[in-house]
Amino acid sequence: QVQLVESGGGVVQPGGSLRLSCVASGFSFYTYGVHWVRQSPGKGLEWVAYLRSDGYNRYYSDSVKGRFTISADSSKNTLYLQMNSLRPEDTGVYFCAKDQTPTVSSTFGPWGQGTLVTVSS
Amino acid sequence: DIQMTQSPSTLSASVGDRVTLTCRASQSISRWLAWYQQKPGKAPKVLIYMASNLESGVPSRFSGSGSGTEFTLTISSLQPDDFGTYYCQQYNSYRWTFGQGTKVEVK
Repeated sequence: QVQLVESGGGVVQPGGSLRLSCVASGFSFYTYGVHWVRQSPGKGLEWVAYLRSDGYNRYYSDSVKGRFTISADSSKNTLYLQMNSLRPEDTGVYFCAKDQTPTVSSTFGPWGQGTLVTVSS
Repeated sequence: DIQMTQSPSTLSASVGDRVTLTCRASQSISRWLAWYQQKPGKAPKVLIYMASNLESGVPSRFSGSGSGTEFTLTISSLQPDDFGTYYCQQYNSYRWTFGQGTKVEVK
């Protein structure tokens, strides 16, 4: 059974850094790509970052490019999101999610339960 | 980025009603569209992928249609468990965007 469990959220000041983790079970990062998606009251659901199953190709939304880094440690079955230079508009619940199928990256499923990040002074 | 627009923003309906939600893309996305259901405090759950394919385990009262820029999600007979917020999501060239959501509430 596939399961994803996020952690690492919290309150951070603008300009600060935070690292989110997502422990995965029931599938391999070598087979499925994995995403970070966030949800905030003002902007709804927003895709943030994607790591392809080759473990090399990474993609980012324009709003986080240059500030966030997605990575994975396959030996620990853990996905990470390193967030630097945080802004108030980065506030939200951050979900990790896997590609629905190994061959097509169009759909997210399933998702973790999310971890809340609050950027505020 | 491709923009996704859902209508209506809120829909009031009764158990047993046939309900149709609409999603429009700012440019053609072929059939690269998925629908998700979200309950308060929970993660979204995929219902439909590739515009019309029912995800395993999802009740058959849910159906999706459309291609290009116009898509619909239909619930043939609304059940108590179906109240919540529904999102459409498109995929194009390693970019993913969501609609703003349609909240289905009790009439």
